[in-house]
Amino acid sequence: KAGVTQTPRYLIKTRGQQVTLSCSPISGHRSVSWYQQTPGQGLQFLFEYFSETQRNKGNFPGRFSGRQFSNSRSEMNVSTLELGDSALYLCASTPDRAITDTQYFGPGTRLTVL
Amino acid sequence: DAKTTQPPSMDCAEGRAANLPCNHSTISGNEYVYWYRQIHSQGPQYIIHGLKNNETNEMASLIITEDRKSSTLILPHATLRDTAVYYCIVRVYNNNDMRFGAGTRLTVKP
Repeated sequence: KAGVTQTPRYLIKTRGQQVTLSCSPISGHRSVSWYQQTPGQGLQFLFEYFSETQRNKGNFPGRFSGRQFSNSRSEMNVSTLELGDSALYLCASTPDRAITDTQYFGPGTRLTVL
Repeated sequence: DAKTTQPPSMDCAEGRAANLPCNHSTISGNEYVYWYRQIHSQGPQYIIHGLKNNETNEMASLIITEDRKSSTLILPHATLRDTAVYYCIVRVYNNNDMRFGAGTRLTVKP
């Protein structure tokens, strides 16, 4: 099976702009979670989607949003970018939780805000 | 989720066992111990997890103390490709609100 894929891999934006990141989970996986990783804060949970519904949410401002499509692919959006949003954004997918909740991470999208 | 404490760095000779410790003294009864690793510029990779019994898979072994306040990840025969940052986290099963700390940077040397 192909792993979790994320696009784009690298992105450069300026303050005030918005950005959309995409994640395709492993085939058959229904849950997608998003994380932000920075050197100072480590890896922090953003939100989780399952069956097109947000199931869990971390402690991030409303500028960070996401959605999931019927094919389980997910997007996250960050509006009004700030310098502090520069980070590696990771997506992880999980198969049916009744079987396992092990998360499989993608390679990430490195966002740089200038 | 409970907080974990790990040494910032460790070295290991290639072919030898790497033993990575983790303290989680405030772990709750329903929290599992998970280990992930992250090789530079890649996403974290799941290694192993356990609740209270020792666990082994094709990658590693996990030893959890009887009081569950600490654990050790064992890579039985470390290779150069095992050089990575290793994260120990504790979380409730099915709770994806995971926060990775600084982890342990393991360097495997020839």
